[in-house]
Amino acid sequence: NAGVTQTPKFQVLKTGQSMTLQCAQDMNHEYMSWYRQDPGMGLRLIHYSVGAGITDQGEVPNGYNVSRSTTEDFPLRLLSAAPSQTSVYFCASSRAMASGGNEQFFGPGTRLTVL
Amino acid sequence: QQQVKQSPQSLIVQKGGISIINCAYENTAFDYFPWYQQFPGKGPALLIAIRPDVSEKKEGRFTISFNKSAKQFSLHIMDSQPGDSATYFCAARGWAGGSYIPTFGRGTSLIVHP
Repeated sequence: NAGVTQTPKFQVLKTGQSMTLQCAQDMNHEYMSWYRQDPGMGLRLIHYSVGAGITDQGEVPNGYNVSRSTTEDFPLRLLSAAPSQTSVYFCASSRAMASGGNEQFFGPGTRLTVL
Repeated sequence: QQQVKQSPQSLIVQKGGISIINCAYENTAFDYFPWYQQFPGKGPALLIAIRPDVSEKKEGRFTISFNKSAKQFSLHIMDSQPGDSATYFCAARGWAGGSYIPTFGRGTSLIVHP
C-alpha cells in the first residue's frame, strides 16, 4: 500500500493563479480531509469528506474548493491564490469515524508558496 | 476560538529526562484524544491515543494521562531520546456537522539534547 500520496511536493504560484493539489489513498478509507499547517497555528481543517460525493467545510475553507468523485481521490483547488495561502498542506484519510475509525493517516505534504 | 489549548509551544530536554506536554479542552462531548508525532518534512503520524473512560494509557516510553474533571490530558515521554525530537500535536475528536471532526492543538516542538 502506498498509503496517502500527495502531489506536487513543492509549488510556487503567483498571486491570482489557480492550481489543484492532488491527494489519493489506496486504503479504501471513507473519510478524507485537507489541513493547512502554519507556524504556531497547528493543523487547521480546510475541507473534509465522509464519502464519495459528500464534502463539507472545515475551520478555514475560504479560497479553497474540493470535490470527491471517487473514494480514492480528494483534490484541493485554489481558485485565485493569495500570499495568505502560503502554507504546508496535508491530506489525511481514515476509516469512517462513526464505525470506529480513529487513526488518521497523513500524506507527506505539499509546500506551497504564493508570491 | 481555540477548542484545544496545547502547551508549551517549545520544549528542550536533556537525554534521559522526562518530556511533558499538556493539553486542555473545552467541549465535554469530545470522545477520543490522540497524540500525533511529526518529524521535519513529514506528515504527522499517530503516536498514542486515549478515550475518556480511562485515566492513563502507556505504550513503551509514552504515556497519556487524562483528567476528565479538569478537561486536561498530557503526554509524558520517559527517558527522552534525541530521536524523539519532533513536533507533537494533541487532538480531540467531536461530533459536528454530521461527522466526527478532530481539532488539533497548536503543537509543541520538542528538542532532546544528547
